[in-house]
Amino acid sequence: EPEVTQTPSHQVTQMGQEVILRCVPISNHLYFYWYRQILGQKVEFLVSFYNNEISEKSEIFDDQFSVERPDGSNFTLKIRSTKLEDSAMYFCASRAGEIETQYFGPGTRLLVL
Amino acid sequence: QKEVEQDPGPLSVPEGAIVSLNCTYSNSAFQYFMWYRQYSRKGPELLMYTYSSGNKEDGRFTAQVDKSSKYISLFIRDSQPSDSATYLCAMIYMFSGGYNKLIFGAGTRLAVHP
Repeated sequence: EPEVTQTPSHQVTQMGQEVILRCVPISNHLYFYWYRQILGQKVEFLVSFYNNEISEKSEIFDDQFSVERPDGSNFTLKIRSTKLEDSAMYFCASRAGEIETQYFGPGTRLLVL
Repeated sequence: QKEVEQDPGPLSVPEGAIVSLNCTYSNSAFQYFMWYRQYSRKGPELLMYTYSSGNKEDGRFTAQVDKSSKYISLFIRDSQPSDSATYLCAMIYMFSGGYNKLIFGAGTRLAVHP
């Protein structure tokens, strides 16, 4: 069964460093997302991406964040200068069509020290 | 008022019990309702997906939506220890441009003990 994959599974970084989280969505899906879940809190929406551009973003998704689909398979989330409060699980999700369910990857656990 | 409210539990039941998990929501525009299961330190896994009001059954799982009360439920029959996980309700929020996002509840931790 097709699935969303994410790498790395864990990342530890120093405050102020740049990190890139990688995702490979399900191959025929058209809409891509990043969500995050701070420990003990809700899963929350960061950004959606369609047709090679951001379609919607939350207030969390400030200038320190960017997303890219550099080729036909990968979808990346970059945090330019990490802060302590960026420590969270980051989930990539994808869906096929307009009102289709979203399928989530296993997540990347980011720890900023 | 929070958009989606869900009792975080934890809920502990014996194997074989019927489990009822619930969420309330405030936005009457929500039309699509999901239940995801999340094992510890894993991604949410889609369990069931319901459009508008009514019931949907899939094996031991039944999802119910009551739009008049803004209340959704997930029932698990004959619960198994393998059902032990956090159950997240989620709703599709539609942006004006036609795109959407999921809004999640806090998740209910369920433990089914043998």
